[in-house]
Amino acid sequence: DIQMTQSPSSLSASVGDRVTITCRASQTISSYLNWYQHKPGKAPKVLIYAASSLQGGVPSRFSGSGSGTDFTLTISSLQPEDFATYYCQQTYSTPYTFGQGTTLEIK
Amino acid sequence: EVQLLESGGGLVQPGGSLRLSCAASGFSFSNYAMSWVRQAPGKGLEDVSAIRDSGDDSYYADSIKGRFTISRDNSRNTLYLQMNSLRAEDTAVYYCAKSRGATVNTNYFDSWGQGTLVTVSS
Repeated sequence: DIQMTQSPSSLSASVGDRVTITCRASQTISSYLNWYQHKPGKAPKVLIYAASSLQGGVPSRFSGSGSGTDFTLTISSLQPEDFATYYCQQTYSTPYTFGQGTTLEIK
Repeated sequence: EVQLLESGGGLVQPGGSLRLSCAASGFSFSNYAMSWVRQAPGKGLEDVSAIRDSGDDSYYADSIKGRFTISRDNSRNTLYLQMNSLRAEDTAVYYCAKSRGATVNTNYFDSWGQGTLVTVSS
């Protein structure tokens, strides 16, 4: 199975900050990388697919980049509703493994 | 609006069985692959199983292979997960998720349910 490693595991930030979360794959996955936002008790929500494509309805402050093994999710200006856990996922080969998650907390 | 509503979770003893259901609405269910993803307490997301639109192709994570069976009834717009020989480590919230495409070789999951909790304990 392809291992996905996110960093950091947790992050404290303030409203208005720019934050970056990284995700590294254990082997090349081309651009088969997605980012999800998950809030407690809610359904996860896709933000970015194919490494850099913004899902419809997702605010433009979210962006993704990378290919091969190294990827980033950037939130340009944090809003109160962005405090959540973020997961990367590879869909290069089954099983479609997720990173361990990055919890974004209010500073 | 896409809606996915899971049901069937609960408390079960080790070695027992449960069947989860996911009722889908708001899209043409028979045209999309569907998946089950779980989250154990305090842990991250784990891709468990997927089934293509027609139901004739599927895959399973090694952790549940031989014990769980995914199926679907396109006439009822419903996805199922039959879980047998349950273990404590199967305790998790189980989410159903809609794939972007028709086959198990999905691009990504574009809609998720809110999950159903399965607790395996004596």
